[in-house]
Amino acid sequence: EPEVTQTPSHQVTQMGQEVILRCVPISNHLYFYWYRQILGQKVEFLVSFYNNEISEKSEIFDDQFSVERPDGSNFTLKIRSTKLEDSAMYFCASSEAGAYTEAFFGQGTRLTVV
Amino acid sequence: RKEVEQDPGPFNVPEGATVAFNCTYSNSASQSFFWYRQDCRKEPKLLMSVYSSGNEDGRFTAQLNRASQYISLLIRDSKLSDSATYLCVVKGGSYIPTFGRGTSLIVHP
Repeated sequence: EPEVTQTPSHQVTQMGQEVILRCVPISNHLYFYWYRQILGQKVEFLVSFYNNEISEKSEIFDDQFSVERPDGSNFTLKIRSTKLEDSAMYFCASSEAGAYTEAFFGQGTRLTVV
Repeated sequence: RKEVEQDPGPFNVPEGATVAFNCTYSNSASQSFFWYRQDCRKEPKLLMSVYSSGNEDGRFTAQLNRASQYISLLIRDSKLSDSATYLCVVKGGSYIPTFGRGTSLIVHP
């Protein structure tokens, strides 16, 4: 069964450092998403990506964040200068086009900023 | 007003019980609705889509009430393995899945 894969599963970084979280969406999917979940809190939307550009972003997705699809398979989230409050689980998801299609999630990257 | 609202629980039920969760959404233009399950520190996994006519999958039944803007999930004959957080997810015109905060279910022997 096709699945979304994310690497690394856990990353520890020092405050102020840049991190890149990587995702390989399901191959025939057209919409890609990043979400984050701070421990004990809800799953929050960060950004969606369609047709090689950002289609929507939330208030959380400020200038510190960027996304890229560097090739035909990878989808990355970069945080330029990490803060302690960026510590969270980051989930990548993908879906087929259309309003009625479900999103499939990767297993997540746990980011710990120290 | 929050876009998708759920009672966080926890709902603490014995094995074999029937339990129901509700979820309300604020955007009347929302187009599609889903229930996901999330185990501790894991990714959300699709449990079932919710159709206007209602749908059933084994012990799970989902209903949609567009007029009142709520979705429900009924779990019959609860198993220990049903213990998890159940996430209500709504998709609007922008195709962005929006999550409720989840309802925690604990099934005990």
